[in-house]
Amino acid sequence: DQQVKQNSPSLSVQEGRISILNCDYTNSMFDYFLWYKKYPAEGPTFLISISSIKDKNEDGRFTVFLNKSAKHLSLHIVPSQPGDSAVYFCAASWQGGSEKLVFGKGTKLTVNP
Amino acid sequence: DGGITQSPKYLFRKEGQNVTLSCEQNLNHDAMYWYRQDPGQGLRLIYYSQIVNDFQKGDIAEGYSVSREKKESFPLTVTSAQKNPTAFYLCASSIGYRGTNQPQHFGDGTRLSIL
Repeated sequence: DQQVKQNSPSLSVQEGRISILNCDYTNSMFDYFLWYKKYPAEGPTFLISISSIKDKNEDGRFTVFLNKSAKHLSLHIVPSQPGDSAVYFCAASWQGGSEKLVFGKGTKLTVNP
Repeated sequence: DGGITQSPKYLFRKEGQNVTLSCEQNLNHDAMYWYRQDPGQGLRLIYYSQIVNDFQKGDIAEGYSVSREKKESFPLTVTSAQKNPTAFYLCASSIGYRGTNQPQHFGDGTRLSIL
């Protein structure tokens, strides 16, 4: 049973426009959510996170929104750049879960010049 | 530069052979993790360790073993009991203080293939 779901395997956007990546989760115990960016043959790079006590967190061009009632989070990238082209993974964990992360299957973002 | 070093980057295993993947970190992190990634899949947790000389099974520990004799090192052995070992293996670490949400940071991975 997949506890973290990224239902869009791929997303294509034009340079300068907004990219919105979505993630749904089923486990109501999750209280910490993260987004990672991954290039082929490299390890994931941490992008941004959000605690369940917040509904928004910003870091430069990246903003994560959390809707706890819908068990949904999204990552907004504005403006999108060709260098943002990568696979984005959503992950979640919970206190008492020994900091174990549960990952979604990823969304491949392509930003076209 | 602080970081996580995985070696080798590519590894080939013969049938029936055990192989060990290295993971070293100089971030002074207490917690370390091993994940496996298959094509089109997310990362799945194999083993994790919150402190030296202690480790726990993750979701897919069968056919794998680990040790944590030093804070900096968390090697993973893929044994002959692992029937489908071909995958991309990722090591991660985090500060590890209980009750504190902290991100995990990853190495660049080892790709294991069967000859």
